[in-house]
Amino acid sequence: KNQVEQSPQSLIILEGKNCTLQCNYTVSPFSNLRWYKQDTGRGPVSLTIMTFSENTKSNGRYTATLDADTKQSSLHITASQLSDSASYICVVVTDSWGKLQFGAGTQVVVTP
Amino acid sequence: SAVISQKPSRDICQRGTSLTIQCQVDSQVTMMFWYRQQPGQSLTLIATANQGSEATYESGFVIDKFPISRPNLTFSTLTVSNMSPEDSSIYLCSATLAGYTDTQYFGPGTRLTVL
Repeated sequence: KNQVEQSPQSLIILEGKNCTLQCNYTVSPFSNLRWYKQDTGRGPVSLTIMTFSENTKSNGRYTATLDADTKQSSLHITASQLSDSASYICVVVTDSWGKLQFGAGTQVVVTP
Repeated sequence: SAVISQKPSRDICQRGTSLTIQCQVDSQVTMMFWYRQQPGQSLTLIATANQGSEATYESGFVIDKFPISRPNLTFSTLTVSNMSPEDSSIYLCSATLAGYTDTQYFGPGTRLTVL
């Protein structure tokens, strides 16, 4: 069973609207949680990295939140643009060896 | 940050042949990683490659099938040996500048199709 679960699997939103992606994880021990954006045919690009003590982190129109007690994270996209169409991957880094546990990703499609 | 390039960007290969994928980083990095991403799936770690030592393979991946070289701090290769259609996938190289807790930078990937 995947230890990093993302929802929804896919999402279609109108340009200019906001959306929120969810990530629940069970991995332990926890080092940090990352959100990556992967455009079609490209490698993932880091959006945010949050450690245990951080509740929120922003990168432009992307805002990530973390609740380490409930092991939940979210990624909020504000005022979506066509260029936001991509897969968004939640990654949890675990233990001192830094093994990355990848979620399956949420495919976001922004339509005009 | 680090910029990572991969060659080739894509290839179509015959069953039973081998393909070597090159990964070049624009700065010296401590750790490099090779991942596989099958269509519609997330990334699966194949192995970790440190300069000057043998690569460390994840469960389900073996050196005979996926030999890796790491001759210096900016370069690595992954070979997919004796290919079968099941090896059709995207192979991605990544690297960290300062260790496991640092940001991992990814290359653009190599799209491999095996006929």
